[in-house]
Amino acid sequence: EAGVAQSPRYKIIEKRQSVAFWCNPISGHATLYWYQQILGQGPKLLIQFQNNGVVDDSQLPKDRFSAERLKGVDSTLKIQPAKLEDSAVYLCASSLAGTSVGEQFFGPGTRLTVL
Amino acid sequence: GEDVEQSLFLSVREGDSSVINCTYTDSSSTYLYWYKQEPGAGLQLLTYIFSNMDMKQDQRLTVLLNKKDKHLSLRIADTQTGDSAIYFCAETPSGGSYIPTFGRGTSLIVHP
Repeated sequence: EAGVAQSPRYKIIEKRQSVAFWCNPISGHATLYWYQQILGQGPKLLIQFQNNGVVDDSQLPKDRFSAERLKGVDSTLKIQPAKLEDSAVYLCASSLAGTSVGEQFFGPGTRLTVL
Repeated sequence: GEDVEQSLFLSVREGDSSVINCTYTDSSSTYLYWYKQEPGAGLQLLTYIFSNMDMKQDQRLTVLLNKKDKHLSLRIADTQTGDSAIYFCAETPSGGSYIPTFGRGTSLIVHP
């Protein structure tokens, strides 16, 4: 079974530029998550989708971050414009809908450096 | 709000046991998890424990939960160099939301 795919793996941009990340979850997983992991910290949820609907985006800085999952499968996360403090690893995860344990399967992440 | 605390580093010799500790503040936690993150990779769920249990064993892994003290530990028996990674403790609140709150991670270094 293929895992969660993310691209690109690394991205370096200058502040005020825009960047987009892509995620393809495990086939059949209805729930998709985007996390931000700053160096030395645990992941923090940015947004959760159930199919193509947003379940929780309370921690997403909506003035600069946006995310979509138009067809309920893959998803993109965009930052526009980027700030220095956005430097982090952006992790995508997916899970089966309705799982009682809530096990999430994580992709390898995209490491963003903002100069 | 929820908070999960872990020590940052642990160094052990290959073959010894490792014990990684975690404390949390949310008394309504439903599930508590241990995730492993190897360099350049995403997080991988190692094991979890439901809040009404006090121990769970899975091969070399033993999870102990002291709900009164809000303390969770992960013991790895016969630690191998391949166990070197960052280990994250996480908890989810009651109420059906399975969004975990993660600790900062404990970096386990295993010396040959």
